[in-house]
Amino acid sequence: GAGVSQSPSNKVTEKGKDVELRCDPISGHTALYWYRQSLGQGLEFLIYFQGNSAPDKSGLPSDRFSAERTGGSVSTLTIQRTQQEDSAVYLCASSLLSPNSPLHFGNGTRLTVT
Amino acid sequence: AQSVTQPDIHITVSEGASLELRCNYSYGATPYLFWYVQSPGQGLQLLLKYFSGDTLVQGIKGFEAEFKRSQSSFNLRKPSVHWSDAAEYFCAVGARSGNTPLVFGKGTRLSVIA
Repeated sequence: GAGVSQSPSNKVTEKGKDVELRCDPISGHTALYWYRQSLGQGLEFLIYFQGNSAPDKSGLPSDRFSAERTGGSVSTLTIQRTQQEDSAVYLCASSLLSPNSPLHFGNGTRLTVT
Repeated sequence: AQSVTQPDIHITVSEGASLELRCNYSYGATPYLFWYVQSPGQGLQLLLKYFSGDTLVQGIKGFEAEFKRSQSSFNLRKPSVHWSDAAEYFCAVGARSGNTPLVFGKGTRLSVIA
């Protein structure tokens, strides 16, 4: 079946512009995660949607970052007024809601802020 | 909250040699433990996972990992490395409650030389 799909795969934007990154999770996966991967920093947790519960936003680095998940499926990560330090690969993952279910990752969106 | 340490940023091994990648975690109870691999230009793929039972777990591509509670470790091993194993390896820890996101280490980059 289809895996986690992220779009766009690459995004170049100018400093100060807003960007939207999209994630289509695996059908039936009620948990959805956003992580950020920067060189040498590993995977930094951003936000976690778990079924119908309120999302865990504790990893969002600033109020310029926000995310939505519509209809329990597609998610959009929005970065407002982008800064150069926002340049990274943004990874989306989905899983079943069970805590021992492995995450299935998309290939990520590489964001470059110039 | 849980945390993960991967002490080795970069390891180089010869093809055919054995491999051990270290992972130490911090968590107040028995965690769920995972190893993921990220090959160049690819998304993260699950190698193996530990939930309970036998502390030596087998994964894909000939990898195995051993959970040692006394050492808070979950080291990844392979008896004979292949050139195609060159990649970034991430250890991750999850809470059994399931209401917190998976926490990843910063990763270990594996290079394989002839």
